[in-house]
Amino acid sequence: QKEVEQDPGPLSVPEGAIVSLNCTYSNSAFQYFMWYRQYSRKGPELLMYTYSSGNKEDGRFTAQVDKSSKYISLFIRDSQPSDSATYLCAMSVGNAGNNRKLIWGLGTSLAVNP
Amino acid sequence: EADIYQTPRYLVIGTGKKITLECSQTMGHDKMYWYQQDPGMELHLIHYSYGVNSTEKGDLSSESTVSRIRTEHFPLTLESARPSHTSQYLCASRGTGELFFGEGSRLTVL
Repeated sequence: QKEVEQDPGPLSVPEGAIVSLNCTYSNSAFQYFMWYRQYSRKGPELLMYTYSSGNKEDGRFTAQVDKSSKYISLFIRDSQPSDSATYLCAMSVGNAGNNRKLIWGLGTSLAVNP
Repeated sequence: EADIYQTPRYLVIGTGKKITLECSQTMGHDKMYWYQQDPGMELHLIHYSYGVNSTEKGDLSSESTVSRIRTEHFPLTLESARPSHTSQYLCASRGTGELFFGEGSRLTVL
């Protein structure tokens, strides 16, 4: 069983929809949770970063961590065609800066249709 | 936008050739990484470096080698490429905060 599970999709939504992207994990020691966005033919870029449980909001994006359920979510409000990309979750134990121990999800491919 | 550059972006070569994928960053980051990304698979770390003359193998076994002679430069070399090396190679660097990725080098070995 993989440590991090993420449905690869693809997910297709109309412009303006609320998008929910999710990852589940099995290692209860994970404390740092990240969402990366990867456009086609580009490298991933950090979108949101959360420590432990709770919510974090940045503009149209909200990251949510539920450690009791071992479940993290990324919500995108008022989705735009420019949000079309692959969204990867990543998480780590202990020092968030130790990227050597980042565990990645498969990534979910999202298409927002005008 | 991150100042980390990879060349070549795309490379198609024959089996047995030696190739070097270049990665440079202008942010002065000590930590640099090479990841492999294949369709339907997670990102896998194949090499990392915490500074000049420091290199370590990552979690995914790779026949490639790396060097870190200068802070800004972290090239990856395959001495004899094989079709199984066909993949997307992503270079990344980090200071004290987030991980910055290059745009990737897409390698196809025929």
